[in-house]
Amino acid sequence: AQTVTQSQPEMSVQEAETVTLSCTYDTSENNYYLFWYKQPPSRQMILVIRQEAYKQQNATENRFSVNFQKAAKSFSLKISDSQLGDTAMYFCAFMKHGMDSNYQLIWGAGTKLIIKP
Amino acid sequence: GAVVSQHPSRVICKSGTSVKIECRSLDFQATTMFWYRQFPKQSLMLMATSNEGSKATYEQGVEKDKFLINHASLTLSTLTVTSAHPEDSSFYICSARDSLFRGGETQYFGPGTRLLVL
Repeated sequence: AQTVTQSQPEMSVQEAETVTLSCTYDTSENNYYLFWYKQPPSRQMILVIRQEAYKQQNATENRFSVNFQKAAKSFSLKISDSQLGDTAMYFCAFMKHGMDSNYQLIWGAGTKLIIKP
Repeated sequence: GAVVSQHPSRVICKSGTSVKIECRSLDFQATTMFWYRQFPKQSLMLMATSNEGSKATYEQGVEKDKFLINHASLTLSTLTVTSAHPEDSSFYICSARDSLFRGGETQYFGPGTRLLVL
């Protein structure tokens, strides 16, 4: 069974700083997807970034980038030039690769990120 | 693109009544939808996987007779909480996957429904 671990329950940084959220996972699968979702106070889940395990290049989306270390089963999220709107719960999630649409997301416990003005 | 709506966004009901929550994919077809429950300050807990035209698959510990799921079309899934009790009060979230896999394996989430049972 797959598991996802986020070891930082809460983090706080000043606006404009860079912050890195940690995520580790355990799986015996070789092909899979990894995701970071953001849940702001509105509670709408928003996809931040996704990584396909067979791609060696780390995914980036504007200020958001990941450090994907497949051998170490690590998938950290870096937020550069943090903004007040980045304040949210961040969830790391894993999904097996394949065409079965029933494949589930396996969720981490989340990290509460607070950006201070 | 890839918008999922939920209705209602908030509902308050009396104990013993039934409540229906709708989940719609607005600009794509979703063969598969997922229903989650989220307690305050916790992660999402998968309740069931809903497939269009077939019975839902429930996770262990979720009462299928209490949480009725119907996925009658490629754009609509409903969750009915039957004979609701205060312990059913929670935040319910649905998600959907694009049948054409245009977003890869990405699940798109609705805004959630806050249920309060008095």
